[in-house]
Order: sequence, then structure tokens, then C-alpha cells
Amino acid sequence: QKEVEQDPGPLSVPEGAIVSLNCTYSNSAFQYFMWYRQYSRKGPELLMYTYSSGNKEDGRFTAQVDKSSKYISLFIRDSQPSDSATYLCAMTRGWSQGNLIFGKGTKLSVKP
Amino acid sequence: DVKVTQSSRYLVKRTGEKVFLECVQDMDHENMFWYRQDPGLGLRLIYFSYDVKMKEKGDIPEGYSVSREKKERFSLILESASTNQTSMYLCASSSPTGSRYGYTFGSGTRLTVV
Repeated sequence: QKEVEQDPGPLSVPEGAIVSLNCTYSNSAFQYFMWYRQYSRKGPELLMYTYSSGNKEDGRFTAQVDKSSKYISLFIRDSQPSDSATYLCAMTRGWSQGNLIFGKGTKLSVKP
Repeated sequence: DVKVTQSSRYLVKRTGEKVFLECVQDMDHENMFWYRQDPGLGLRLIYFSYDVKMKEKGDIPEGYSVSREKKERFSLILESASTNQTSMYLCASSSPTGSRYGYTFGSGTRLTVV
């Protein structure tokens, strides 16, 4: 079983839709969870960061962590064509030198 | 604004050439990483370094080496480039506690080996 699983998509939605992106993981020791956004031919940029379980909201973006189910989500409200990108989840145990474990990314396309 | 700078956006090299990919960060970060990214395979860790002169193998080190002579610079070396090393190469950095807060990535180098 892979440590982090993420549906690669592609996911295509109309402008204004609510988008749900998800990752599951197997290691219960993960405590820090991140979402990266990667535009075509660019490096990933950190979008959201959460610690442990719960929700975190930033504008149109909400990150949700359910540690009991080992499941994390990123919701995008009122999606825009500029949200078209690949979204990668990432997580770590939190040790000072523990590396991030990444999902493979979900490609999202928001159609005008 | 913190930055990780990769020296080239696009490179075309011939099979058998020695290739150097350079990465510089201005955040005084101790930890630096090299990944390659391929469709369907995601990010794969090649090498990483937690300090100057230190290096650790990642998941796919074969065919690569690295050099970290200065804290801000981490170089990836393809000793003898092969076509299966055609890929997007991404450099990243973080502070020692920074894995909890994510990495900062460069813009990437798209390498084509012909």
C-alpha cells in the first residue's frame, strides 16, 4: 500500500463549481498536511497548510483533515479558470528532518 | 520574498554528456532537495542534503550525483546523460523544522536528452 494515494484525474468542472480534491494516507504518524498548486511548466507552490485534524479556511480554499479516516481534502469554492492547475497533497510526521511525502497530484481544469 | 532559483528553465543535451543542474536559495535554509517529476509518476526524490558537504540518497539516485559545497547551492549532476533522464527537475529547500511547514520549490528545469 502506498503511503499517500491521490486520484490523478483529470477533473474538469465549469466555472463557479465547488471542487473537492482528496488524498488518503496509510501512516497514522503523519501530523502536518499541505496542499500545493502547480501550474503548467512551473514549480509547486504552497497553497494551504494544516496541523492535525480539523478545517482551515483561506478565501475560497478550505483544507480539511480527518485523521481517524486518514483522509484529507481541499475544497475550492466558486472555482475560476485561473484555478486550473495540478494540485498535490503532501504530509509529514513532523520530525525536524522528516521529509515530505507527496501524492502524485490531481489535474484540475476549470472551464469558462 | 524567499526564492529558490534554478539556473536553466530548458536544457537540451546529448546522450553521454555530463550535465550540471544548479540550484541556489536565498533563505539560509539547511535542507535542500532534488526531485524529478514525470507524468503519472509524480515527484520522485533523487537526493537531499541537510547541511553543507552532506548528502543522502533519495528514492531514485542511480545515474545522479550531487554537490553541496556552500549552504545556498545544491547541484545535481548527471554523469552520463541518457534518454530516460529526460524529465522535469525540481529543486526545493526548507529549514530544519521546515518540513512541517512545507518546502519552497524552484521553477524547474525541463531537461531533454537526445
